[in-house]
Amino acid sequence: AQSVTQLGSHVSVSEGALVLLRCNYSSSVPPYLFWYVQYPNQGLQLLLKYTSAATLVKGINGFEAEFKKSETSFHLTKPSAHMSDAAEYFCAVSERGGGNKLTFGTGTQLKVEL
Amino acid sequence: DTAVSQTPKYLVTQMGNDKSIKCEQNLGHDTMYWYKQDSKKFLKIMFSYNNKELIINETVPNRFSPKSPDKAHLNLHINSLELGDSAVYFCASSQGEVYEQYFGPGTRLTVT
Repeated sequence: AQSVTQLGSHVSVSEGALVLLRCNYSSSVPPYLFWYVQYPNQGLQLLLKYTSAATLVKGINGFEAEFKKSETSFHLTKPSAHMSDAAEYFCAVSERGGGNKLTFGTGTQLKVEL
Repeated sequence: DTAVSQTPKYLVTQMGNDKSIKCEQNLGHDTMYWYKQDSKKFLKIMFSYNNKELIINETVPNRFSPKSPDKAHLNLHINSLELGDSAVYFCASSQGEVYEQYFGPGTRLTVT
């Protein structure tokens, strides 16, 4: 069965600093991987996805993530944090041939401080 | 021109009642989903439908019954509501397996 682990339920960075949100997955076959963002009282918005093309994936709002099979990781980064990045971030995995069932991590709350 | 819409946005009801949440997508997608987000923000899939056919049913109590009248709609009916059903319910849709899921704004259900 697939699973997702997000290290750090809360991450705090200064505005302008590097954002690094960690995600490790467990899957019996190479999965599809996603990062979603959730702003307060809103639905989830896709930031980026990995579906076996380039291992470095660029998303919206300056975010990117790198798929590393050897480390079973898909960490999310952004070079310079902005106040508007404060939100909950979810990593999710979908197993190929699994009916597109998304398994989510427990989420990371990103706080951006002045 | 909202892509995935849900009604109502908020639902407050008493234990034992029956309620429904409606979901509609105008993206032309062939697959729709229901997810539950608990108070700790953990998201878990409940059901998915592909072209009106149930394809995922994740050990959800049978008090929950999804209904898909057509490809663009997936409703969730809940019988005999319990306190533990309080959560935010998200509808989502996608086109095929590879493509991302688009989420609705959520319905916050509070059972008192």
